Amino acid sequence: SQTIHQWPATLVQPVGSPLSLECTVEGTSNPNLYWYRQAAGRGLQLLFYSIGIDQISSEVPQNLSASRPQDRQFILSSKKLLLSDSGFYLCAWSTLRQIQAQGYTFGSGTRLTVV
Amino acid sequence: AQSVTQLDSHVSVSEGTPVLLRCNYSSSYSPSLFWYVQHPNKGLQLLLKYTSAATLVKGINGFEAEFKKSETSFHLTKPSAHMSDAAEYFCVVSDRGGTASKLTFGTGTRLQVTL
Repeated sequence: SQTIHQWPATLVQPVGSPLSLECTVEGTSNPNLYWYRQAAGRGLQLLFYSIGIDQISSEVPQNLSASRPQDRQFILSSKKLLLSDSGFYLCAWSTLRQIQAQGYTFGSGTRLTVV
Repeated sequence: AQSVTQLDSHVSVSEGTPVLLRCNYSSSYSPSLFWYVQHPNKGLQLLLKYTSAATLVKGINGFEAEFKKSETSFHLTKPSAHMSDAAEYFCVVSDRGGTASKLTFGTGTRLQVTL
C-alpha cells in the first residue's frame, strides 16, 4: 500500500535561518508531488508541484524553493526564513491516473513557527 | 479554469442535530469533486468523492454529499453531529487539464459542535 511520510512534525526556527522539510512516498512510482502551505485562518495555498525528478513548478513567488532529487522524495527549502514563512506545510501525492478518482493523499503536516 | 466556493467559513451546531456545509463549484468540464476533513494540526483526510457515478455520495463517519449539476453545488450533510466531527472541512474540485492535474481547494469551513 502507498504511504507518505513528512517530517519533522513541528519546527521552531529563528528568522534568517535555513529550512529543510522532507517528504517521501512509498508504494508507488512516478507520483505527482505537491507542497501546500496553510497559514493561520486561511485555506491551502499550493506552493510547488512536481511531475518528475528535477521537474518543479512554482505557483507563487516566495522565499521558498523545492527540489526532487529522487522519484519519491520532495524537499522544501529556504536559505533564510522570514516571519511570514510561519504556517502549516503539507506534502501530498497523487498520480495522473488516480487523481480524478481519489484526489490527493496528504502527509501529516509540519507546523513551522519562525521567531 | 476551476473554482470552488465554500459559502460559510464557520458553522456551529449542537450535538445530535443535522450538519450542512455548503459548497458551489465552477468547472468547464464534468468535474470530480471531493470533501476533505482536517483535524487540528493534522493532515487532510478524504471524506468522500464524486467522480461522475451516483450523484448521492456516501463517505466515512456518516457524511454524505449530493452532486447537483443544475445548481453547481456539492453540499456536505450528516443527519446527526457528533463531538468528534468538530474540524475544518474543505470542498475540492479537480483540474482535468495538464500533466500535473491539480486540485483546487475551497477556503474551508470550520465546524464547531456544542453540547
